[in-house]
Amino acid sequence: AQSVTQLGSHVSVSEGALVLLRCNYSSSVPPYLFWYVQYPNQGLQLLLKYTSAATLVKGINGFEAEFKKSETSFHLTKPSAHMSDAAEYFCALNTGGFKTIFGAGTRLFVKA
Amino acid sequence: DTAVSQTPKYLVTQMGNDKSIKCEQNLGHDTMYWYKQDSKKFLKIMFSYNNKELIINETVPNRFSPKSPDKAHLNLHINSLELGDSAVYFCASSHGTPYSNQPQHFGDGTRLSIL
Repeated sequence: AQSVTQLGSHVSVSEGALVLLRCNYSSSVPPYLFWYVQYPNQGLQLLLKYTSAATLVKGINGFEAEFKKSETSFHLTKPSAHMSDAAEYFCALNTGGFKTIFGAGTRLFVKA
Repeated sequence: DTAVSQTPKYLVTQMGNDKSIKCEQNLGHDTMYWYKQDSKKFLKIMFSYNNKELIINETVPNRFSPKSPDKAHLNLHINSLELGDSAVYFCASSHGTPYSNQPQHFGDGTRLSIL
């Protein structure tokens, strides 16, 4: 069965520190993977997507994610956190059909 | 120049009432979705239409009825509202192919509160 697991419902980092948000997936076919960000009172916005062209994917706002098939992971990172990065982050998976499976979300807190 | 727009943004109503939420997209997409996001931010697919045809109909009470008059619009009507319907409802759209690397574009949500 296809699934997405985000490890850690809350992550707190200091401004300027590394951001690491974890996502593991389960899929019986090659997956398409996405990271979305949701700011308060807004809808989800695409940060980046993996489409098999490259395992290291760069997205907006300095975020990037690395696809590791052997670990079934697609973790999101940013070298230096900014206060404006505080938001909810969702990992998502498409393995066929029109349905995209979303993870439960990780809330990122950034401390000054 | 909003890509996916939902109305209303806020909806406060009494239990038992009937209400509708409208969604429009100007991205030229042929697939549209309704999601429900609960207070813990969990996002659950409710319905999806591709070229006006219902293609996803999750386990949702039949009090919820979607309608797609054309590819750019997807509305959601809810009958006999219950307390448990309180949530944020998101409309989204995408280029639709069954196995797709196309991301979804979301509206800003409709915050439904049942008194």
